[in-house]
Amino acid sequence: EIVLTQSPGTLSLSPGERATLSCRASQSVSSSYLAWYQQKPGQAPRLLIYGASSRATGIPDRFSGSGSGTDFTLTISRLEPEDFAVYYCQQYGSSPVTFGQGTKLEIK
Amino acid sequence: QLQLQESGPGLVKPSETLSLTCTVSGGSISSSSYYWGWIRQPPGKGLEWIGSIYYSGSTYYNPSLKSRVTISVDTSKNQFSLKLSSVTAADTAVYYCARHRGAVETYSGAGDIVVVPAALDYWGQGTLVTVSS
Repeated sequence: EIVLTQSPGTLSLSPGERATLSCRASQSVSSSYLAWYQQKPGQAPRLLIYGASSRATGIPDRFSGSGSGTDFTLTISRLEPEDFAVYYCQQYGSSPVTFGQGTKLEIK
Repeated sequence: QLQLQESGPGLVKPSETLSLTCTVSGGSISSSSYYWGWIRQPPGKGLEWIGSIYYSGSTYYNPSLKSRVTISVDTSKNQFSLKLSSVTAADTAVYYCARHRGAVETYSGAGDIVVVPAALDYWGQGTLVTVSS
């Protein structure tokens, strides 16, 4: 199975700053079948990005995804207060579907 | 607006079977475009895919849980269900049902074509299931 490793584990930034989150796969993710989710405490995850770079419905354009092969990035261009949460990557290019362990984005 | 709602016991005894149902409203579970899945999250930990189902009844399981998992669909009720047998404390988690944005076809290591459910765009609120005597 493909193991996804997210870094950093915790990212401390201020509103207005740029956030860069990394997701590295143990082997190449087929056809960039990689998604990103945002999860706030007590809530279900919310799909942000699929296909490595396509924004899901209703997701603001400050969220962008990039990458291919084994290295993927989620970028939040200017952090808003509501963006502080835990972010997960997920691959669906190989069975079984797997998730990264998460990156916690906290207010500095 | 599509909505998913999990239901079932919040407490299950060790060695027994965990049973949950997901009721889909605002859309048809029989749509050919989507797959339906179960994901769990132990308290304070990350997400784990349990398995998924297509309206036709085709199932896709995580090999780590496959021997204990059964997922079924009832299109007449617009529901799908999860059964996890022989539970232990390690199965204590928030269980989510969710919709996949379709599925992709990829090649396994043996060269066979494998269907893999895609990204998850609608989620239920989740239900905490505790395994304890």
